[in-house]
Amino acid sequence: QVQLQESGAGLVKPSETLSLTCTVSGGSISGYFWTWIRQPPGKGLEWIGYVYYSGSTNYNPSLKSRVTISVDTSKNQFSLKLSSVTAADTAVYYCARRVDIASTIFSWFDPWGQGTLVTVSS
Amino acid sequence: DIQMTQSPSSLSASIGDRVTITCRASQSISNSLNWYQQKPGKAPKLLIYAASSLQSGVPSRFGGSGSGTDFTLTISSLQPEDFATYHCQQSFSTHPYTFGQGTKLESK
Repeated sequence: QVQLQESGAGLVKPSETLSLTCTVSGGSISGYFWTWIRQPPGKGLEWIGYVYYSGSTNYNPSLKSRVTISVDTSKNQFSLKLSSVTAADTAVYYCARRVDIASTIFSWFDPWGQGTLVTVSS
Repeated sequence: DIQMTQSPSSLSASIGDRVTITCRASQSISNSLNWYQQKPGKAPKLLIYAASSLQSGVPSRFGGSGSGTDFTLTISSLQPEDFATYHCQQSFSTHPYTFGQGTKLESK
């Protein structure tokens, strides 16, 4: 079955750019939307954005000015960049596949990667 | 944004109990509501999609209901492996998707 694995720097300095990659195995990245979601320590889940395998994107308006999500179909990977980070961006970052019923309001996230903790600190 | 509010925020229960968790949306979302289970240090796992459809492999003691603004997740007979945090998520508006704050289910 499809599995996702996040990778990237676990410590980022304030004002710098957070960069993470999600590698998809056990299936093709084509045909799906791929999502980033984060969870600050002890808090709830926040959707960051998604990328379609074709490259089109949709971002959370609260983060839109700082977020870039891209896809590399040749490597079966997609990536997250979050610029100008602060301590408020410290969180576990998850990648996930969006599953949906075409042309309906129904979509959900499954499966998820195991998550990677990114700490913003000098 | 559509706000999702779960109640209670935490809940203590015993093995064999029937447990109900509620999720309320700030506006009608039809039945575009999903539930996830998250255990400590692990990623969330999809339990129920479209308010009442059980994800493949999820035990039948889990059930979901509701439409419009009010939804419930029910565990019919609590098992030891069910102690976890549960999150609801709406997909009516994808700009942005939003989650509830989570409900932590603990052993009494």
